[in-house]
Amino acid sequence: GENVEQHPSTLSVQEGDSAVIKCTYSDSASNYFPWYKQELGKGPQLIIDIRSNVGEKKDQRIAVTLNKTAKHFSLHITETQPEDSAVYFCAANTGYALNFGKGTSLLVTP
Amino acid sequence: GAVVSQHPSRVICKSGTSVKIECRSLDFQATTMFWYRQFPKKSLMLMATSNEGSKATYEQGVEKDKFLINHASLTLSTLTVTSAHPEDSSFYICSAAGQGTEEPQHFGDGTRLSIL
Repeated sequence: GENVEQHPSTLSVQEGDSAVIKCTYSDSASNYFPWYKQELGKGPQLIIDIRSNVGEKKDQRIAVTLNKTAKHFSLHITETQPEDSAVYFCAANTGYALNFGKGTSLLVTP
Repeated sequence: GAVVSQHPSRVICKSGTSVKIECRSLDFQATTMFWYRQFPKKSLMLMATSNEGSKATYEQGVEKDKFLINHASLTLSTLTVTSAHPEDSSFYICSAAGQGTEEPQHFGDGTRLSIL
């Protein structure tokens, strides 16, 4: 089955710096790659997604890149703010189901 | 848009009780709903996938008689934890998606289940 690896598991940055989270996947049939932000005690919130027919997508301070040949995709957050602190999960689809990475705990310090 | 409401947010009950959790898509029709379980500081573990009007598909190792899933309409799915025991204590989260393998899954805010 699909195996999604996510790194790093924890990331601490200073406010204003950039944060990058990287994921790899194993199933070459995967064609949908969402990123979720989860705050304590809440459900995951979709922040950006990318489909296999594009290599990059940007939404304000958040961008995602996809390299289908290498089977890896990355989340980039620029100008980080304390409210960006949360756990971030990448995922890759297998049919209708999503396979999640183990999460990255991001801490943005003022 | 794409709001998913999950109730209750927290349940504390005695061992042997059955607990029902509801998941509703408020502003879109959810062809498929998913139920996950999440342990502290861990990733989401898919329990089952349900399509409106048909039986749920359970992941390996998930007891279908223990975790009853009903998806009676395009906006409502329920998960019933039958005869719950302390080991069933966890954070249960649902998600809902429209038709298609590239449709985003939108998550509810989860249910914290504590069995005494």
